[in-house]
Amino acid sequence: EAGVTQFPSHSVIEKGQTVTLRCDPISGHDNLYWYRRVMGKEIKFLLHFVKESKQDESGMPNNRFLAERTGGTYSTLKVQPAELEDSGVYFCASSQALGLANYNEQFFGPGTRLTVL
Amino acid sequence: DQQVKQNSPSLSVQEGRISILNCDYTNSMFDYFLWYKKYPAEGPTFLISISSIKDKNEDGRFTVFLNKSAKHLSLHIVPSQPGDSAVYFCAARKTSYDKVIFGPGTSLSVIP
Repeated sequence: EAGVTQFPSHSVIEKGQTVTLRCDPISGHDNLYWYRRVMGKEIKFLLHFVKESKQDESGMPNNRFLAERTGGTYSTLKVQPAELEDSGVYFCASSQALGLANYNEQFFGPGTRLTVL
Repeated sequence: DQQVKQNSPSLSVQEGRISILNCDYTNSMFDYFLWYKKYPAEGPTFLISISSIKDKNEDGRFTVFLNKSAKHLSLHIVPSQPGDSAVYFCAARKTSYDKVIFGPGTSLSVIP
């Protein structure tokens, strides 16, 4: 079974440009999460989708970040316009539907390393 | 405002010895505690977890201990192996489907 995949693995852009990151969760996983790790610090939550709906977007840093999950399958995270402080590694994770297990393990993708120059 | 703390950025242990990684948390609402392992250029991989109603959970060479009154947990790896060298993140959640709150990580090096 394929794990969580993310594209691209690396992206280098200039300040002010737009970048779109993509995440394909494990097939059948209703929950999709975005996290990011900046400057070797802790991995921080950005937002949580349940199918196509945003369940929790309390971690989104500002309105330059837009996440979508049309159709409840893959998700995109767009940064527009990108700033220097947006550099970091963006992780996506997915988990099964609620109620299928007492503990709902999140499976992480390999991440997208974003560098804003 | 860091809710999950790992005060040791790095740890070196001899192969075959015990590795003890420590973690403290501040939010008493956390109900699940997890350890993730991360190799370079990969995403975090779930290692072991413990519910707040337990004080110990064991899985092979890995044991997690929880001291709820002290808001402290630890991961014990016995015996340590070179392949265990990675960054270990302590993490917590309020519910089984809530977002994961990560600590800053401890880089473990197991020396052959």
